Amino acid sequence: GAGVSQSPSNKVTEKGKDVELRCDPISGHTALYWYRQSLGQGLEFLIYFQGNSAPDKSGLPSDRFSAERTGGSVSTLTIQRTQQEDSAVYLCASRPQGEVGELFFGEGSRLTVL
Amino acid sequence: GENVEQHPSTLSVQEGDSAVIKCTYSDSASNYFPWYKQELGKRPQLIIDIRSNVGEKKDQRIAVTLNKTAKHFSLHITETQPEDSAVYFCAAQFSGGYNKLIFGAGTRLAVHP
Repeated sequence: GAGVSQSPSNKVTEKGKDVELRCDPISGHTALYWYRQSLGQGLEFLIYFQGNSAPDKSGLPSDRFSAERTGGSVSTLTIQRTQQEDSAVYLCASRPQGEVGELFFGEGSRLTVL
Repeated sequence: GENVEQHPSTLSVQEGDSAVIKCTYSDSASNYFPWYKQELGKRPQLIIDIRSNVGEKKDQRIAVTLNKTAKHFSLHITETQPEDSAVYFCAAQFSGGYNKLIFGAGTRLAVHP
């Protein structure tokens, strides 16, 4: 596609349920990032993929959070046993191969945990 | 650990005035410093970036300066316009081969006509 695509755009779930968020990066982009943005807050780094590998998982808030990327393309962020504090917008971004350069963000997935 | 501090958190200016946002970073080996603009309800978008081998970069009304010794970089917007109203985020790419990009907390800029 023309840009980074994320789904679902909105997700309302009950506390304790598992959720899966999907990111489809721009074709050919090897680097993929996940960030979390709570209401009115900054961009909290969660995880970064280079190809299918995640060299840095230090930003994942707890062991309830996991992410994977397959085929060097689509990535999924899974949150198990959701808590109310997980409510936020989850942003995915991708970048072409290379050490530096512009991140292209998706529209985000807004998660609300009741 | 890696950290980027950004000030001020909010900034209000009159149309036509200049706006300055400042950031500091913790890793002296950081090599890349972008600035993103996020309008209400929209995705962040890159407005300007600077690499560690350059001290200043300009693009029309916006400029970024970098002081590597002080681990400090700033965004300057001149002749502000109402459409500049948004949240601005600085970021620093940390070393270690992992290309980890850490963002500041953001500055909400309001430009009043």
